[in-house]
Amino acid sequence: ETGVTQTPRHLVMGMTNKKSLKCEQHLGHNAMYWYKQSAKKPLELMFVYNFKEQTENNSVPSRFSPECPNSSHLFLHLHTLQPEDSALYLCASSQSEGQGTEAFFGQGTRLTVV
Amino acid sequence: GQNIDQPTEMTATEGAIVQINCTYQTSGFNGLFWYQQHAGEAPTFLSYNVLDGLEEKGRFSSFLSRSKGYSYLLLKELQMKDSASYLCAVMDSNYQLIWGAGTKLIIKP
Repeated sequence: ETGVTQTPRHLVMGMTNKKSLKCEQHLGHNAMYWYKQSAKKPLELMFVYNFKEQTENNSVPSRFSPECPNSSHLFLHLHTLQPEDSALYLCASSQSEGQGTEAFFGQGTRLTVV
Repeated sequence: GQNIDQPTEMTATEGAIVQINCTYQTSGFNGLFWYQQHAGEAPTFLSYNVLDGLEEKGRFSSFLSRSKGYSYLLLKELQMKDSASYLCAVMDSNYQLIWGAGTKLIIKP
């Protein structure tokens, strides 16, 4: 139990589907993150929320839409994805954005787009 | 551009010592992190260095030289459970984490 829970763990979706990934943290943290992890590539930061406000969007295509209703929950809404979007999507949280703030990760959602 | 380099894969023997290197070029520096990630699992925090020198934590130690843009993670008395990927990440001047691609460590009996 890492304190950060992601659901579902695995997801297969067609290119015309709409689905959502969910992340919940039980650590009382104020910052939450979405990362994309592809095989043999560095973690790619997608979105950052600090105190429920989006502070970073790393040029992510609009087919990925984040939502942060409160400091404990983070969603990633997916629609009309492409096969190259298949990857492990990791959620993380930290006390806040800033120096020395260790991030705690969820186990990820393994997404396959067919 | 910003860049983190670490070896793609390393192999070591159970009971031995292994050193995983990480070199970086970033816009500013606010600390360097090492994470461990077992296959199919979440990355977990191992260490954080912001000042030069060696930080020891049990069988794991992490070293930093800011002038050289260099860090290493030292694993002693290797165990089979240490087989995992080890991720190096640097926090830049904007407090963004820049990640390496990870080093897959294979431990052999």
